[in-house]
This record gives sequence, C-alpha cells and structure tokens, in this order.
Amino acid sequence: DGGITQSPKYLFRKEGQNVTLSCEQNLNHDAMYWYRQDPGQGLRLIYYSQIVNDFQKGDIAEGYSVSREKKESFPLTVTSAQKNPTAFYLCASTPGGSDGYTFGSGTRLTVV
Amino acid sequence: GQSLEQPSEVTAVEGAIVQINCTYQTSGFYGLSWYQQHDGGAPTFLSYNGLDGLEETGRFSSFLSRSDSYGYLLLQELQMKDSASYFCSFYNQGGKLIFGQGTELSVKP
Repeated sequence: DGGITQSPKYLFRKEGQNVTLSCEQNLNHDAMYWYRQDPGQGLRLIYYSQIVNDFQKGDIAEGYSVSREKKESFPLTVTSAQKNPTAFYLCASTPGGSDGYTFGSGTRLTVV
Repeated sequence: GQSLEQPSEVTAVEGAIVQINCTYQTSGFYGLSWYQQHDGGAPTFLSYNGLDGLEETGRFSSFLSRSDSYGYLLLQELQMKDSASYFCSFYNQGGKLIFGQGTELSVKP
C-alpha cells in the first residue's frame, strides 16, 4: 500500500538536544511538507519541498531544518534553537494540482 | 495577510444536517479544501473546490463563492463517527496549503 510513514510515533527530547523526525513516502509525490499542530490549533507550515535538493521555509521555520536528498524522504530536525518544540508534527505529500495532501500519522514530540 | 475563519465548535445530533462555514482572506487564491481529523490522528482529505459552486461526495458537500471569499462544508445524515475536527484550507501562490484553526464537531445520540 502506498502512503507516508512517520517515525517515531512518540519522541522525547531533553533541553538542548537536536532530534530528527523521519518522513518517508512511496507515493512518487514530488512535493512534501512539514506542519506543526499545537493542541486545539490548526496546522502551521514549517518547511516544504517541491523537488529533490530544494526546499523553502514556511511560516514558522525558525529552530527547524530539513533536507531533501531523495524524492522519498524529507526528514525534519528540531534544533535546540526551537524554544517551544512540544507539539504534534505532521508530514504530508501531494502530486500537485487539485489533488489533496496525504498525511502521515504524525510524531508527538515532548520536551522533558 | 492570509487567514481563514471558521467556528471553533459545532454540536449536532445523529441524523441531522450541519454546515461548517469558512471565510478566507488572501491575495492569491487557488481553491478551497476541507480536511477531517479525528482526535490524535492524521488529517484526511475530504473535498476541493477550485470553482464556484457545490461539490458533492456522498454525505458530504462543499461549496465555494470566490466573490464572497466564503465556503462551507455540509454534512448530511450525521453519524457518531463524524465527530472530529474539520479544517478548511486554501492553496496560495506556490501551492502551499494554509489551514484554518479547525471546527470541532460533536455528534450527539
């Protein structure tokens, strides 16, 4: 079955640590996205990539970094510069046009 | 700026019809989409309106009026499993999807 796999499902980070969230898709989609969701809130765009080896900042990119070395993979690193990283992180992809986004099941990150 | 407004919560009974409204503000607009998200889960795509008018998919319908910067999602024959958050979203220039804050729908027996 085609889809998006995010791992891990739950992640705990100590203060000052960098952590990397994995996102892999086998849908052959060109565009991939990272969103952050806080409790009771909508989704805010962190970074997006429309083609391999290229990515752009979204609305809340500070304290995050990404890479897109392969079409299938779009990992997100939450750096120590992100002061409030506790949130639900969602990865999505789309073939473009009017087709909707396909989302992964998310990673819940908690700072301990 | 870019923004979407939708009610924070709506309550309805099983079997009823409910409408979730969405107004938006943006300089570049390329269509309105709706997503459903059950608690703790991934959002799933429901519908897309690129042109004015009504789109129907089973029990769900979505409407768009670009002149009014307004759309709505209509859910008919409500079922308990429809209890979820519903997000309106629009595509802006560059193909980015911008989401509203979400409407929590509670379906009561």
